[in-house]
Amino acid sequence: DAKTTQPPSMDCAEGRAANLPCNHSTISGNEYVYWYRQIHSQGPQYIIHGLKNNETNEMASLIITEDRKSSTLILPHATLRDTAVYYCIVRVALDGANNLFFGTGTRLTVIP
Amino acid sequence: SAVISQKPSRDICQRGTSLTIQCQVDSQVTMMFWYRQQPGQSLTLIATANQGSEATYESGFVIDKFPISRPNLTFSTLTVSNMSPEDSSIYLCSAPGLGEIQYFGAGTRLSVL
Repeated sequence: DAKTTQPPSMDCAEGRAANLPCNHSTISGNEYVYWYRQIHSQGPQYIIHGLKNNETNEMASLIITEDRKSSTLILPHATLRDTAVYYCIVRVALDGANNLFFGTGTRLTVIP
Repeated sequence: SAVISQKPSRDICQRGTSLTIQCQVDSQVTMMFWYRQQPGQSLTLIATANQGSEATYESGFVIDKFPISRPNLTFSTLTVSNMSPEDSSIYLCSAPGLGEIQYFGAGTRLSVL
């Protein structure tokens, strides 16, 4: 699985958009970009994933660059409950037979 | 999505004892995964539990210390044996749901005195 690089921490004002970057310059053509978050000491929560096209769901948007070497997770209107560690993970999407490799993630703090 | 129930949610144990953590999935899955998260650290995979065969352990984890059972397609247990304070961590199980998504239990917070 490709390695990812994320900033260790970020702050965001409540109500503003939070843009979390991730570099994955060694990503392969069949590898997806997944985002999870972990709110203090809880189990990781799936947010979104994509292959090459931008994706949006009720939680967030995922923007993947055309060369797929980096991506950005966007939380459009951050709330205090979005304070968490966000993990960007790159892996081949199979049938659930593979585990996830977690890096150190980005600790996002939403400030009132 | 998959609903994963894990228990106990937390426990405080004495050195030298063992604790068995249970993980129940609301659907049948072939693979289940056990992770450890040490204080202030990210998640590390302990082992993959495949129903009908021995679990596959990652480097640094051994069956004698972390025996795993997988009696059916919806359930697994992880035992932390002969505990020491260094085993104080959050232990998490995960399993695949619909699509290419892995879902996680809420975790078991273990403190060893």
